[in-house]
Amino acid sequence: QVQLQESGPGLVKPSETLSLTCSVSGGSVSSVSYYWSWIRKPPGKGLEWIGHIFYTGTTNYNPSLKSRVTISLDTSKNQFSLNLTSVTAADTALYYCAREFRRGTFDYWGQGTLGTVSS
Amino acid sequence: DIQMTQSPSSLSASVGDRVTITCRASQSISIYLNWYQHKPGKAPKLLIYGASTLQSGVPSRFSGSGSGTDFTLAISSLQPEDFATYYCQQSYSTPWPFGQGTKVEIK
Repeated sequence: QVQLQESGPGLVKPSETLSLTCSVSGGSVSSVSYYWSWIRKPPGKGLEWIGHIFYTGTTNYNPSLKSRVTISLDTSKNQFSLNLTSVTAADTALYYCAREFRRGTFDYWGQGTLGTVSS
Repeated sequence: DIQMTQSPSSLSASVGDRVTITCRASQSISIYLNWYQHKPGKAPKLLIYGASTLQSGVPSRFSGSGSGTDFTLAISSLQPEDFATYYCQQSYSTPWPFGQGTKVEIK
């Protein structure tokens, strides 16, 4: 059974960088069959896809966040990570990592981690 | 970007009721439409992909239909474990937006 678990600092100051990691078990981030995505849900709002990465390192980002987002892969640890720079209160959200088993379709998700931006 | 609009935003229903949720895309997305169930504190769960294909392990009381711009999620007989928020999401083109969600509550 594939499992994903997000981790990272829960509190970040405005203008700093939010860094999160997703640890994958029961599957490999080196698989040729899947992309690995980050998705977030701000309080009171809907879900928003942030971006994804393929085992080759190829990435694709939501244009609304593209200038501030980097997603990277660590195959030795079977993890992938999210860096979101220059954060503001609008970036406060539950952040989920997910496996994309077909184009734009997410079959396994982590339980989410709260990222709060506050001074 | 393609916009996804769900209705209603919330509904109250009883165990055993038939429930339908509608999702409309701002332009045609063929059958590239997915449905998810989300309970507080839990990972979202894929229910249906490709508009009507039931994800493995999902009970058959869930069904999806539609193509083009109009889609429906139906729950044939609501069970206690089905009280949750449901999201549609298009997988036709990035950034793959989600609908705003439909909260199904106990009447």
